[in-house]
Amino acid sequence: DAKTTQPTSMDCAEGRAANLPCNHSTISGNEYVYWYRQIHSQGPQYIIHGLKNNETNEMASLIITEDRKSSTLILPHATLRDTAVYYCIVRVGLSSGGGADGLTFGKGTHLIIQP
Amino acid sequence: DVKVTQSSRYLVKRTGEKVFLECVQDMDHENMFWYRQDPGLGLRLIYFSYDVKMKEKGDIPEGYSVSREKKERFSLILESASTNQTSMYLCASSLRWGGSGSKFYNEQFFGPGTRLTVL
Repeated sequence: DAKTTQPTSMDCAEGRAANLPCNHSTISGNEYVYWYRQIHSQGPQYIIHGLKNNETNEMASLIITEDRKSSTLILPHATLRDTAVYYCIVRVGLSSGGGADGLTFGKGTHLIIQP
Repeated sequence: DVKVTQSSRYLVKRTGEKVFLECVQDMDHENMFWYRQDPGLGLRLIYFSYDVKMKEKGDIPEGYSVSREKKERFSLILESASTNQTSMYLCASSLRWGGSGSKFYNEQFFGPGTRLTVL
């Protein structure tokens, strides 16, 4: 079962920052927050992950609250191509199985970028 | 960039046919995965492999088998396709171990998917 809660859908104007929230109140100390997205009819795409510090890469920024019970994915300048379903998941960063464990996605947030 | 490719984007087969779905990754990843994705059911793990010739059942292995003869290639086989196997099939790969400071830290990288229709 997914251990995260996300809004079902969100709209954002093109060129504005898109802020996608995620609640993960039962996160464990060794679990990371990962974000993936899936554009219609394509495979999921990894975006970013973090443990407790804020993270930034070429795609997005991840802000994690100090108590780690929630986080926000920020797309700084959303474009129409960012329209997708965004999945927030929590999982261990380095599992005892060497990472060979399946991903479980919840329903995610359908982000619609408006022109 | 990590690249995971799948042999077909769209495939139409008839009930009872044997179906092969091929997946190739070019980043020397040890782990490879096959999922299916259906509306309302999300992503479900069929099989995974953590090394050549090694395979492990996922959550829904019934009706499927896999083959991993080479590190870069992971094949999903439907021995006798049925209509309830109509789905989007996704292949993914990941490094077996990631380390502190490594960019690849248990992320899975997905292929574009194969939309299989069984008539």
